[in-house]
Amino acid sequence: DIQMTQSPSSLSASVGDRVTIACRASQTIGTFLHWYQQKPGKAPNLLISAASSLRSGVPSRFSGSGSGTDFTLTISSLQPEDFATYYCQQSYSAPMYTFGQGTKLEIK
Amino acid sequence: QVQLVESGGGLVKPGGSLRLSCAASGFTFSDYYMSWIRQAPGQGLEWISYISSSTRNRNYADSVKGRFTISRDNAKNSLYLQMNSLRVEDTAVYYCVRVDIGRDYFDYWGQGTLITVSS
Repeated sequence: DIQMTQSPSSLSASVGDRVTIACRASQTIGTFLHWYQQKPGKAPNLLISAASSLRSGVPSRFSGSGSGTDFTLTISSLQPEDFATYYCQQSYSAPMYTFGQGTKLEIK
Repeated sequence: QVQLVESGGGLVKPGGSLRLSCAASGFTFSDYYMSWIRQAPGQGLEWISYISSSTRNRNYADSVKGRFTISRDNAKNSLYLQMNSLRVEDTAVYYCVRVDIGRDYFDYWGQGTLITVSS
């Protein structure tokens, strides 16, 4: 099975900060890597697909990069509504899928 | 707009059974693969099952294989999850999720339904 490891597990930052979340796959997955945002009590929402494709309607301050085994999600200037938990997910081994353990982004 | 609405959650005793349903609307249901994903309280996301558009292919996480069965009725635009031999560790919010055709990301999620397994 492909394991996904996110770092850090939690992160404190301030409004306006630039933040980067990393996701590493246990084997190469090309660009079959996707990012989700989840707010408390809500279902996750897709932010970025195929490592770097921003979903329509998602603010341009979000960006993704990487291929192979190492990926990053960057928020260029944190807004109050961005404080949430972020998950990466691989679909290289579809129809078997795995998520990272999540990164909780908190207000400093 | 795409809508996925789960139902069937609740409290069940260990060893019991439950059937979840998901009503889909706003898209051609029969064109899409679907999945169930769960989230235990305070924990991360766990993919548990997948079904192809024609029902020909199904897949399960090891944690539920042999106990859960995914199915769909394309005429009724509905997805199901039959859960048998439930365990305390199956306690979670269960999400019905649409799978993108091509890259297999999860593009639309239901609001989730809570299953609590407890004696």
